Formats: sequence, C-alpha cells, structure tokens
Amino acid sequence: GIQVEQSPPDLILQEGANSTLRCNFSDSVNNLQWFHQNPWGQLINLFYIPSGTKQNGRLSATTVATERYSLLYISSSQTTDSGVYFCAVRTAGNQFYFGTGTSLTVIP
Amino acid sequence: GAVVSQHPSRVICKSGTSVKIECRSLDFQATTMFWYRQFPKKSLMLMATSNEGSKATYEQGVEKDKFLINHASLTLSTLTVTSAHPEDSSFYICSAPSGGNAGELFFGEGSRLTVL
Repeated sequence: GIQVEQSPPDLILQEGANSTLRCNFSDSVNNLQWFHQNPWGQLINLFYIPSGTKQNGRLSATTVATERYSLLYISSSQTTDSGVYFCAVRTAGNQFYFGTGTSLTVIP
Repeated sequence: GAVVSQHPSRVICKSGTSVKIECRSLDFQATTMFWYRQFPKKSLMLMATSNEGSKATYEQGVEKDKFLINHASLTLSTLTVTSAHPEDSSFYICSAPSGGNAGELFFGEGSRLTVL
C-alpha cells in the first residue's frame, strides 16, 4: 500500500517563529488534505490541496503531486498552533490514508 | 464546512459486551464513509470503508466479525465493536467526503472506547 511519511516527527518552536512541515507519499494520489488534531482529538481541516498553493492567514500549503510531496508552512507561530499535524492522501481506490504526523509544540 | 457528528464521544463497557458507535453527516449525503482507529500518540489507521447499500470494505488485518459496519442510509454509518476486549480500547473516528466521493473529507469528533 501507499506510504505517507511526515517530517519532522516532532518540532518545538519559540512563539513567533516560522516552520515548514513536509509530507511525502510513495504513489500517485488524487487528493491531499492537511489537518490539525487538537488536544481533544478533533481533526480540524486546514487545506484541501491536490496541487498548487493555498494560503489561509498564517498558514499556507503547497502540493507538488508530480514529485509526491506537500509542504505546510506556519508563520509567526502561536501557542494555539500546538498539536499534531497530519496530511492525508486519497488514492485511486478512493481510500484516504494518513501520514505519520508532526507533533508541534509552540512555547511562549 | 460540512458537519459530521459522532456518538457517543466516550463509552466504557465491560469485556464481552458489544458497543455501537454512530456517525452521521448532518448537512450532506455520503455514499461512502471511513472509519479510523487511533492509538495514543500514533497516526490514524484506516479500518474500513463504509458503503451505503453494500458491504463495507475492510483493510488488511482488520477483523470483519469484530468490527461490524453498517451504512444504513446516506447520512448514517455505524461501527459495532462486538465482544469487546481491553485491547479494543482506542479512539475511533469516522469521516465522510462532502460533495461526492472525491470531495473534501470531514471528520466526526471521535469516540473514546474503554473496555474494562
């Protein structure tokens, strides 16, 4: 099956710093999404981004499907950005598989 | 965004009993829903794809008789953990794509199951 790897697995940032999270996938995908999982387990949709670049406030994402990766940029990080970030890909079989996750801690 | 609701959010049961978890798409219809399981500090593992009007498709290694999935309508899928054991304790999350099977995926709040 498809492998979806995220890096780094853990990240600690000072408040105000910028960061880049990466999602690599081993096969062609039809779609890709980024999520933020809050401490209560709820998955918050960040981006629905099969290709190209999107921005939403301090967050932006870029997917290069032909090279099988996506990047999530967080600028001017805040303590509320802490949590686990997941990418998920949709395969040709119409199943969604999650990446390994990046655990982000933003310290004041 | 679309709303997916999951119930119950927490359930504690005795070993050997069965537990049913419901997943509803509140403002859209979904012919397909997905069920995931998450262990502490781990990623989400796809368990099965729920298909309205037909049998669910299970991922390799997931016991069909242990995790019964029924997609009764275009807005409801249920996961029943049968004869639960402590090792079935986990966080279970459902999701559904909005705007057709190729659409953006939205998640329920999750259900935390504890089997004593």
